[in-house]
Amino acid sequence: DAMVIQNPRYQVTQFGKPVTLSCSQTLNHNVMYWYQQKSSQAPKLLFHYYDKDFNNEADTPDNFQSRRPNTSFCFLDIRSPGLGDAAMYLCATSREGGATQYFGPGTRLTVL
Amino acid sequence: GIQVEQSPPDLILQEGANSTLRCNFSDSVNNLQWFHQNPWGQLINLFYIPSGTKQNGRLSATTVATERYSLLYISSSQTTDSGVYFCAEANSGNTPLVFGKGTRLSVIA
Repeated sequence: DAMVIQNPRYQVTQFGKPVTLSCSQTLNHNVMYWYQQKSSQAPKLLFHYYDKDFNNEADTPDNFQSRRPNTSFCFLDIRSPGLGDAAMYLCATSREGGATQYFGPGTRLTVL
Repeated sequence: GIQVEQSPPDLILQEGANSTLRCNFSDSVNNLQWFHQNPWGQLINLFYIPSGTKQNGRLSATTVATERYSLLYISSSQTTDSGVYFCAEANSGNTPLVFGKGTRLSVIA
């Protein structure tokens, strides 16, 4: 089945230690999104790629970076995680901008 | 910016009951989606519905774009319907979805 896969499902890191979260998709969609969701809050868009074009939300901290080496994969790099970065990180894809979004299962990040 | 308001914020139902969740939005709609987030955090797309009415099993949704609201109907609710329901809207194909704060639904047996 076509799907969006995120690895790992759970990630524990130490304060200030860089971490990379992975997302892959078999849907061959053009657009890939990264959202941050904190407890009891709505998902918040960090950035998205339309093909290779990177679009950063204005309020996304510089601490967060992303890479999309090919259509199928997208990575979220947190350069120096703080306690406030503990959250669920959700990857989503859509065929085009404005189309239905399909989410992966998420990576729950804990920062010690 | 676009405002998306959902009501009610919390809802408790007896299994088998019906419910209506509402989403009001402040701007013209190009893209409106309803999602269900299960207790494990997975977001499932329920409907892509910028206008009109759609049905999928026990769920249906209606968006009245001219009046800037959308409704999600759940009939004969089951315990597996529990979770948080999010409405998300964008006013063009090139702008990101803005999520409401969600409705937390608990269905009890």
